[in-house]
Amino acid sequence: KNEVEQSPQNLTAQEGEFITINCSYSVGISALHWLQQHPGGGIVSLFMLSSGKKKHGRLIATINIQEKHSSLHITASHPRDSAVYICAGTSNTGKLIFGQGTTLQVKP
Amino acid sequence: EPEVTQTPSHQVTQMGQEVILRCVPISNHLYFYWYRQILGQKVEFLVSFYNNEISEKSEIFDDRFSVERPDGSNFTLKIRSTKLEDSAMYFCASRREFNRGGYTFGSGTRLTVV
Repeated sequence: KNEVEQSPQNLTAQEGEFITINCSYSVGISALHWLQQHPGGGIVSLFMLSSGKKKHGRLIATINIQEKHSSLHITASHPRDSAVYICAGTSNTGKLIFGQGTTLQVKP
Repeated sequence: EPEVTQTPSHQVTQMGQEVILRCVPISNHLYFYWYRQILGQKVEFLVSFYNNEISEKSEIFDDRFSVERPDGSNFTLKIRSTKLEDSAMYFCASRREFNRGGYTFGSGTRLTVV
């Protein structure tokens, strides 16, 4: 069964801290996505990874295919980074399989 | 930047009524999806659609649910005989190529069945 698990479920940080969110996935996932969901509910795609590492601004995403593990890092966190971060895997049929999300709160 | 547009943003309906949720995917995208998120739970796959037919559907997508792309632009999700448990946020998503490139999500329709 295709599964995506992420941790932690909730995360509180002080402004400026380095943040890491982890994701593990099962066999049958061909690519890994990191998504951001704000309180209004909309979902924004941050990264799609099938290997290596990607960086956009203060966000860095890595993937280890052998270990079936991915991480999302936020450097110099800021209160505006507060959101739900979701890891999702593309199945062999093309659909996304979602993790349960990590609720991040960054305090000033 | 191209967007996926969903309407309405919020729909309240009486139990047993029919609702139609509308989506306008990005014009050159070929693969279309509906997902839903019950409050406090993770996002779940409902259905995928390609070349004017359903590619895959989940167990949630029972015979009360249907999708169509009537005019080559709109992509609709219809729910007949709505139940209280259909209350959720429904997201439309599209992508240009199969298993390449990311997905673009709409902003969602919050469906409340009362």
